[in-house]
Amino acid sequence: KAGVTQTPRYLIKTRGQQVTLSCSPISGHRSVSWYQQTPGQGLQFLFEYFSETQRNKGNFPGRFSGRQFSNSRSEMNVSTLELGDSALYLCASSTGQGGGYGYTFGSGTRLTVV
Amino acid sequence: AQSVTQPDIHITVSEGASLELRCNYSYGATPYLFWYVQSPGQGLQLLLKYFSGDTLVQGIKGFEAEFKRSQSSFNLRKPSVHWSDAAEYFCAVGGSRTASKLTFGTGTRLQVTL
Repeated sequence: KAGVTQTPRYLIKTRGQQVTLSCSPISGHRSVSWYQQTPGQGLQFLFEYFSETQRNKGNFPGRFSGRQFSNSRSEMNVSTLELGDSALYLCASSTGQGGGYGYTFGSGTRLTVV
Repeated sequence: AQSVTQPDIHITVSEGASLELRCNYSYGATPYLFWYVQSPGQGLQLLLKYFSGDTLVQGIKGFEAEFKRSQSSFNLRKPSVHWSDAAEYFCAVGGSRTASKLTFGTGTRLQVTL
């Protein structure tokens, strides 16, 4: 059974550009969550999607957005990139919505903003 | 608001020695608790989770954790550490049944000496 797949693995962007990251959940998983990991702030929740609807959102500016498609695949977009957006972005999938389900994480996308 | 404290930033143990990583949480209701491990440049791997029931939870790779409600703790233990256990360990508290947001601790980096 394939795990959570995140593409690309590495990305270098210039300040002011925008970027789109992709996450394919485990087959049958309907919930996808996104996290940002930085040395200074640690792991922070970005948002969660379930059945193509955003169900929960973390404390990030509106430059961070996401969506989920009918096949449960998800994308997150960051517009007007800042140096501080450099981070490892992790996607996690779950069979259902809510803390009672286990979360499986992907290997992440390492974004570097220069 | 939910929060997680991992008081030990860095721990060094000898191979074959026992290990205990501390985790304290703050949550208004019955928490969903998780331990994840992260190797350098990788995503998070779930070691074990607690939802309800038996307070001693067994996980993968020989790890176990004990939920103590009176102490708001969920410490991770392993009787005999292997060199391959060197990694960063994260404790997390899950959301309610309708919110999947995970709140992570700052992590404990484990170094294993031979």
